[in-house]
Amino acid sequence: DAGITQSPRHKVTETGTPVTLRCHQTENHRYMYWYRQDPGHGLRLIHYSYGVKDTDKGEVSDGYSVSRSKTEDFLLTLESATSSQTSVYFCAIMKGAIGELFFGEGSRLTVL
Amino acid sequence: QKEVEQDPGPLSVPEGAIVSLNCTYSNSAFQYFMWYRQYSRKGPELLMYTYSSGNKEDGRFTAQVDKSSKYISLFIRDSQPSDSATYLCAMQNYGGSQGNLIFGKGTKLSVKP
Repeated sequence: DAGITQSPRHKVTETGTPVTLRCHQTENHRYMYWYRQDPGHGLRLIHYSYGVKDTDKGEVSDGYSVSRSKTEDFLLTLESATSSQTSVYFCAIMKGAIGELFFGEGSRLTVL
Repeated sequence: QKEVEQDPGPLSVPEGAIVSLNCTYSNSAFQYFMWYRQYSRKGPELLMYTYSSGNKEDGRFTAQVDKSSKYISLFIRDSQPSDSATYLCAMQNYGGSQGNLIFGKGTKLSVKP
């Protein structure tokens, strides 16, 4: 158990609606990440955080924003969801050395 | 050219076979090399971690890094049906941004009883 909880695990929404995904950790790790995983593209980094209120963009950050007001919570927001944002979203934390990521179970988002 | 190339498979082998999974990369600055295993509808889990060149063994799994050829491999001995999963390689350069972990697209492995 990596101590990561993602919510919701499944969500269906309509184009143009806002969506927030939550990642919660119980172990007080500094680095947290949001990835999306799509067939043919693999895992791609959306945003990551290196501390409270400290975030940076990843490879596919357009259309997404994040916030981290507490060490344990990292929120991913789609301000106005589009069909291209239909995906499986994974949160991860870095527990030890560089590259040692531990992932949550994923949030499956469908935008109609 | 993609930074990390990985054959997506699928790869199907009989139980007990030796499996070889591979990735090639273009960025010579990569120093950290990882293999993640992902079961269907689950998050990836870290399987092997290697720093720089060389071999690392953990039970039935061996990870190899050949930096001169920019090539990494994961070998699975005595493969089991429980090894059926998608295997993702990942790599990162020393001193780079902590967000700069690059994943391959994954190879789907099926081990038949």
